Amino acid sequence: DTGVSQDPRHKITKRGQNVTFRCDPISEHNRLYWYRQTLGQGPEFLTYFQNEAQLEKSRLLSDRFSAERPKGSFSTLEIQRTEQGDSAMYLCASSLSGLASGANVLTFGAGSRLTVL
Amino acid sequence: GESVGLHLPTLSVQEGDNSIINCAYSNSASDYFIWYKQESGKGPQFIIDIRSNMDKRQGQRVTVLLNKTVKHLSLQIAATQPGDSAVYFCAEGGYQAGTALIFGKGTTLSVSS
Repeated sequence: DTGVSQDPRHKITKRGQNVTFRCDPISEHNRLYWYRQTLGQGPEFLTYFQNEAQLEKSRLLSDRFSAERPKGSFSTLEIQRTEQGDSAMYLCASSLSGLASGANVLTFGAGSRLTVL
Repeated sequence: GESVGLHLPTLSVQEGDNSIINCAYSNSASDYFIWYKQESGKGPQFIIDIRSNMDKRQGQRVTVLLNKTVKHLSLQIAATQPGDSAVYFCAEGGYQAGTALIFGKGTTLSVSS
């Protein structure tokens, strides 16, 4: 296992287009998180899944954003009708939860950088 | 809402010096804190963590101190090296909670030779 993988690494799109990002977590991790990071800021939480269930969504996640994790493995984050303000790095992280797993340490991928023109 | 913040946005040190990066948190319910390092073009990388039942934890060249009385967290890096240059974030959350970690804004550490 090579860690958390994200694809694509870079995406340039025109305003109004839809984009989709994919995240492949560490295989034995049951939790998967999406964060957004803009220049000079810390990662901002968007949403997270435990297995295939989406358990929490930030109010940052507008109606144009949707995330799925259909089989409890990889996840996709789709942004519809992109706006220039959506330009950011979209980070995925995974962790192993449960009493036997210890601390809730998130392992991050390298991110998908979105530029909306 | 509650958030984690950092005292200084930038810190410049000479190679070999010790570095101290500070962080203030506001959520007294948080019982778990992590320091992450982020290099340009990469995702955040775990450095060290500490639970709220501890006040100090040491790793290799790094030490995290937690002062729950004043809600303050610090990261000490011994003998700072050019490879330590990065943005450092503290994050807070629950040790086993089903909620996400909340990150502060970050401190950019620059190490000159």
